[in-house]
Amino acid sequence: KQEVTQIPAALSVPEGENLVLNCSFTDSAIYNLQWFRQDPGKGLTSLLLIQSSQREQTSGRLNASLDKSSGRSTLYIAASQPGDSATYLCAVRKDRDDKIIFGKGTRLHILP
Amino acid sequence: EADIYQTPRYLVIGTGKKITLECSQTMGHDKMYWYQQDPGMELHLIHYSYGVNSTEKGDLSSESTVSRIRTEHFPLTLESARPSHTSQYLCASRSPGTVTDTQYFGPGTRLTVL
Repeated sequence: KQEVTQIPAALSVPEGENLVLNCSFTDSAIYNLQWFRQDPGKGLTSLLLIQSSQREQTSGRLNASLDKSSGRSTLYIAASQPGDSATYLCAVRKDRDDKIIFGKGTRLHILP
Repeated sequence: EADIYQTPRYLVIGTGKKITLECSQTMGHDKMYWYQQDPGMELHLIHYSYGVNSTEKGDLSSESTVSRIRTEHFPLTLESARPSHTSQYLCASRSPGTVTDTQYFGPGTRLTVL
């Protein structure tokens, strides 16, 4: 059974710092991996999606990497801003038609 | 921006009431999902559908039911609400095989049962 773990569970950093969020998964046979952002009491917003054949994806100040063989992904946020404060969720899908499995998330707080 | 809508956004009702949470998407996606999320906790899949007239139970047991009569509409119903149903309910949709293959989420319905 696929399990997704995110470390750390919570993180506070001063504004302007670069930071890395970690995600690990137990079964390396995945179809894709997706990073989401969730603001308190809101739905999820997709940030980046990495197909199993890809190693990384970039969008603005965000860069997500995928190492399927080791079961790891990282989300790199450059030059953090207070508006980046949210919970970041990692999710993997085993097959094209399979359900997505979520981690518990990392609660990020950027200090002004 | 994703075109997936949920109504109501907030609902406070008494025990024993029947409620329906609405979810609609205008993207023509075949696959739709309902998740339940308690504050500060992970998402749990409670129902999903792979198309019209297709519904399946998810990983987390739920007393709710769903229907999929139209592609764009995936309502969730609780026949008799209880305080244990208090939670946030998130609807999502997806169209596999597209370039992005992204799962899109609605804004959620926060349900409180008194």
